[in-house]
Amino acid sequence: DAEITQSPRHKITETGRQVTLACHQTWNHNNMFWYRQDLGHGLRLIHYSYGVQDTNKGEVSDGYSVSRSNTEDLPLTLESAASSQTSVYFCASSEGTGDQPQHFGDGTRLSIL
Amino acid sequence: GQQVMQIPQYQHVQEGEDFTTYCNSSTTLSNIQWYKQRPGGHPVFLIQLVKSGEVKKQKRLTFQFGEAKKNSSLHITATQTTDVGTYFCAGINWNSGYSTLTFGKGTMLLVSP
Repeated sequence: DAEITQSPRHKITETGRQVTLACHQTWNHNNMFWYRQDLGHGLRLIHYSYGVQDTNKGEVSDGYSVSRSNTEDLPLTLESAASSQTSVYFCASSEGTGDQPQHFGDGTRLSIL
Repeated sequence: GQQVMQIPQYQHVQEGEDFTTYCNSSTTLSNIQWYKQRPGGHPVFLIQLVKSGEVKKQKRLTFQFGEAKKNSSLHITATQTTDVGTYFCAGINWNSGYSTLTFGKGTMLLVSP
């Protein structure tokens, strides 16, 4: 069965370090998305991609970057981790023009001390 | 940008009681999607509404899209403990032929047996 996998599931790191969260999907979807989920804020869009070599900024993109070198993967990098980036991060993918249902990974819980 | 507001933030019901969550947008929506997130889990797509005044049912769940396409609701009849979770609505934003979702902050439902 097709799936979307995030790794690691949990990570603790220190402020100032670079952190990369992995997202791999086997749906062969062109569209991939990164969200962060914080209590009281719901899901907020960080970055998204509509295909290989395409990346776009979302609502809360400051301090984050993504790259899309193939269809399956959209890694999310925190260039210099800050405590305000402690959150649960979800990756999602969808097909078509993006108004199709999004399939979410299990999430990465990131703590920055 | 588009804002999607959801109320209530939280509701605690006894098993067998009904539950409704409401979603309101600051702008007219083309489509609206609903997702459910179980505690500790990831969002899972429930349904998409497209047409003005549309009503769709999934067993005990009834979804409505307002006539002006600026509001939506999810009603659960005779709640069960399996309905526990957070319910999110998400409005679709179109940009150059592709779309992203703007999520409401969600309604957390707790059901006591």
